[in-house]
Amino acid sequence: GENVEQHPSTLSVQEGDSAVIKCTYSDSASNYFPWYKQELGKRPQLIIDIRSNVGEKKDQRIAVTLNKTAKHFSLHITETQPEDSAVYFCAATWGGSNYQLIWGAGTKLIIKP
Amino acid sequence: NAGVMQNPRHLVRRRGQEARLRCSPMKGHSHVYWYRQLPEEGLKFMVYLQKENIIDESGMPKERFSAEFPKEGPSILRIQQVVRGDSAAYFCASSPRPDTGELFFGEGSRLTVL
Repeated sequence: GENVEQHPSTLSVQEGDSAVIKCTYSDSASNYFPWYKQELGKRPQLIIDIRSNVGEKKDQRIAVTLNKTAKHFSLHITETQPEDSAVYFCAATWGGSNYQLIWGAGTKLIIKP
Repeated sequence: NAGVMQNPRHLVRRRGQEARLRCSPMKGHSHVYWYRQLPEEGLKFMVYLQKENIIDESGMPKERFSAEFPKEGPSILRIQQVVRGDSAAYFCASSPRPDTGELFFGEGSRLTVL
């Protein structure tokens, strides 16, 4: 079936360094790719998203890139800070649907002081 | 403008009992989605509802699980005859339109089945 693979499952970086999380998807009809951040015991919150007609989007320290040909998209966080520590989920729409999302398994990002 | 409200935040049930989880979407949002999250895992889509209609329940188990979103009142996810494997966090999300993509999540309801 359709799936989204996310790597790595855990990422530990030094404060101030950059972090990159990668996802691949299988449905060529996927057209919307959000990234959610979930702190321990809290709700997932959208941090950035990208649509299939765009290759890159940036919002301050966060950027997302999309390669439709290779069917992968990545989250880039620069100048990491302790408050960036959380689990990050990527997702992709599938089956031509605008609403149903297939989620990656998550990446636990640890920022070392 | 209050966010998505879910209750109860924590629910403990014994095997065989019923669990009823409620979700009030954000004001102005008429699209509600339920997701299940097991510990250390991602979210799994369960069901998508609009007022008085189930649009897509392809992610919901055929037995014991049901969902509704009545004309008045919150959306309800109902789990009958709970089993230990139902223990999870159940998140509700809402959106103003289905094509925006962005989902606004509630804080979740954590169900523990003893």
